[in-house]
Amino acid sequence: EPEVTQTPSHQVTQMGQEVILRCVPISNHLYFYWYRQILGQKVEFLVSFYNNEISEKSEIFDDQFSVERPDGSNFTLKIRSTKLEDSAMYFCATGLAGEGSYNEQFFGPGTRLTVL
Amino acid sequence: GESVGLHLPTLSVQEGDNSIINCAYSNSASDYFIWYKQESGKGPQFIIDIRSNMDKRQGQRVTVLLNKTVKHLSLQIAATQPGDSAVYFCAEISTMEYGNKLVFGAGTILRVKS
Repeated sequence: EPEVTQTPSHQVTQMGQEVILRCVPISNHLYFYWYRQILGQKVEFLVSFYNNEISEKSEIFDDQFSVERPDGSNFTLKIRSTKLEDSAMYFCATGLAGEGSYNEQFFGPGTRLTVL
Repeated sequence: GESVGLHLPTLSVQEGDNSIINCAYSNSASDYFIWYKQESGKGPQFIIDIRSNMDKRQGQRVTVLLNKTVKHLSLQIAATQPGDSAVYFCAEISTMEYGNKLVFGAGTILRVKS
């Protein structure tokens, strides 16, 4: 069964450093999302990406965050200068949802980011 | 505004009993509501969804009930098993121009006692 994969599973970084989290979507999916989950809290939407563009982003997704799909397969989330409060699980999700319709989003296993 | 919340943070049930997990939502314009299961160290896993024009939907051992009058969603798990132990999130779909955004509730921990 196809699945979303994410690397690394755990990333430890120093405050102020850049990190790149990677996701390999399910091959025929067109819509890509990043969510984050601070320990013990709910999953929060960060950004959606379609047709090589951001389609929507939350207020969490500030100028320190960026996303891209550089090679047509990997979908990456970059945090330019990490802060302590960026420590969280980051989930990639992908789906086939079209305009105005709903289809299931498939989540990856997550990357645990720890900022020291 | 959008918000989805849960009544009970932790639910403990005996193996074999039925479980009911509840959720309240505030955005009456949502078209779909979904239940996700999250096991330790894993990403959310889709369980079942329900469209806003329905009030009940059944899956394998699970049933979702939607009461739009009081903006309440529930997940019923029949004959709960140890493998059902996880955090359960309700989520509502916020349809965007491209794709769909999930708005998650706070989560309920389900503990199944053997």
